[in-house]
Amino acid sequence: GGIITQTPKFLIGQEGQKLTLKCQQNFNHDTMYWYRQDSGKGLRLIYYSITENDLQKGDLSEGYDASREKKSSFSLTVTSAQKNEMAVFLCASSIAWGGADAEQFFGPGTRLTVL
Amino acid sequence: LAKTTQPPSMEAYEGQEVNVSCSHTNIATSEYIYWYRQVPHQGPQFIIQGYKDYVVNEVASLFISADRKLSTLSLPWVSLRDAAVYYCIVTDWGSGTYQRFGTGTKLQVVP
Repeated sequence: GGIITQTPKFLIGQEGQKLTLKCQQNFNHDTMYWYRQDSGKGLRLIYYSITENDLQKGDLSEGYDASREKKSSFSLTVTSAQKNEMAVFLCASSIAWGGADAEQFFGPGTRLTVL
Repeated sequence: LAKTTQPPSMEAYEGQEVNVSCSHTNIATSEYIYWYRQVPHQGPQFIIQGYKDYVVNEVASLFISADRKLSTLSLPWVSLRDAAVYYCIVTDWGSGTYQRFGTGTKLQVVP
């Protein structure tokens, strides 16, 4: 088995601040994802990385940057925090990004609060 | 990438079998069907995936219609722990697109 670790668990920032969320996985999975989930809503894909040197934009990439530092880690930066983006940010990984090996394993999330 | 449509909510009594449907009328031949569930304050958890016909595992079974436009997740003997939001998504192996989570089906279980 493996695990996905997200740090920090809770992140409080000021409006306009640049904030970074980190994700580590020890599954040795190729593909990693960042999602945002607003309260009571479904998940929206921000960025994903199919392999170690890849970076792809999802539906909600504006206002965010991402970095796949190595196979096991994937970071997300909120470039300028806004009050309307208070949400839980979920990191996930999968063996592959499509087909029969796209089962995603999720981390516990980082809850972002913007003051 | 096929869009999925699910009922927004369902209710069942403990011990009942629950069937959650998902429509994916534009599903492509390369797409697989995945089901996840999410309980409050946790990330989604994979339940089952399939391409066609019938798939079963220790948690659930998945029936996919012959034309693959409809899938049904079946949960036998639900308990209060099965109360969650259930998401049906499709993945595409080769088109360069990616799976999207919709708003899912919120299952309430009544004691």
